[in-house]
Order: sequence, then structure tokens, then C-alpha cells
Amino acid sequence: NAGVTQTPKFHILKIGQSMTLQCTQDMNHNYMYWYRQDPGMGLKLIYYSVGAGITDKGEVPNGYNVSRSTTEDFPLRLELAAPSQTSVYFCASSQSSYNEQFFGPGTRLTVL
Amino acid sequence: KQEVTQIPAALSVPEGENLVLNCSFTDSAIYNLQWFRQDPGKGLTSLLLIQSSQREQTSGRLNASLDKSSGRSTLYIAASQPGDSATYLCAVRPSRDDKIIFGKGTRLHILP
Repeated sequence: NAGVTQTPKFHILKIGQSMTLQCTQDMNHNYMYWYRQDPGMGLKLIYYSVGAGITDKGEVPNGYNVSRSTTEDFPLRLELAAPSQTSVYFCASSQSSYNEQFFGPGTRLTVL
Repeated sequence: KQEVTQIPAALSVPEGENLVLNCSFTDSAIYNLQWFRQDPGKGLTSLLLIQSSQREQTSGRLNASLDKSSGRSTLYIAASQPGDSATYLCAVRPSRDDKIIFGKGTRLHILP
């Protein structure tokens, strides 16, 4: 039981490039979330999903896109990367919005 | 709008002491509150989840309390150890929202 896994662990992206951060959970959780964590700023919700085929915006969705074609996977797409998207990205999952969230190890992304 | 505050931002305590970390929230209409631990460069690990109908939860040397009416929660750590050094975050789930709101965390350093 691996829990929530994220790839890659680290990545450097050039301004204007695009990439996809991968997130997979093996707990059959309905809810999945993407957060970004910036120093001194806490965690901000980017997007979340309540089940396959359903996604919704969080607090800071601009510049990102998501899809949820399966229960297990919730990839985060960055289009036209900007330096402001330099951050640590965390994926999380929970059985419902009432249950505890489980986090992945994070992806540290630098945009230069 | 729900806001979550954790004071102090950083705390240093000699090994062996009991300590209390504080979390306050502005809107008492919450469904639950969760405490997390984050080690440097790592993801978040769930410590305790308290439902709004509960007053406290215990796990080993950790005890979390919730006073919903006053908008406060505390995390009590007994007999602190150097391995307890980490950042501790609290997060609340508002009653009418699928998303949880995080505090910025308290960075705890246990002095050997």
C-alpha cells in the first residue's frame, strides 16, 4: 500500500514550457486535491476533485489545469510556466471531505 | 471567510518538557479539525482528526483538544523528544465547504 505517490520529485522548467505533475493514490479515495506551498505562505488549494470526471477550482487555479479520468490518478498540468509557479506542489486524497487527508511527498518545481 | 492562525510561528523547547501548540479559527461553523506534522523537505503526515462533536483526540504522546465555540484547538505534546522537531500545521474543514483551510504552521525545535 503505497498511499499517495507523486512524480517527479524535483524539476526545473524554463519560462513558457509546459509540464504535467503526476499523482496517484491506491486507497480508492474519492477526493483528491492539489496544493502549492510557498515559504511563509502556508498551503493553497489549486484544484480538487470529488470523483472521476469531476473537478473544481480551489483558491489559486490560474495557470493550471487538471483532469480526473480514473479514481486513482489526478494529474496537474502547467501551461506556459511562469516564475511565480516556482513552488512545492503536494497532492492529497481522502475518502470524503469529512475524512482525514493523506499527502504525497511533494514535487519541488523551479521555473527559470 | 474562515481564517486559521497559528501562534507562535516558531518555538524552541528543551527536551523532556511538555508543550502546547495553538490553533485558532475565525468561524466556529466547522465540521472537523486536523493536525499535521511536516518534516523539512517532506510531505504532510496526519496526526489527529477531531470531529466537531468531539472535545479531544489522543494518539500516544499527542493530545489534541477542540473548543469550537471559542474557535480554538491545542496540540499537547508530552515529554518532548528531539524527533518531535518539525512544523505542525492545523487545518479546519468549514461546515459548508468541501475544502479545508490551513494555518501557516508552528516550527518546533526540541533542544537536546
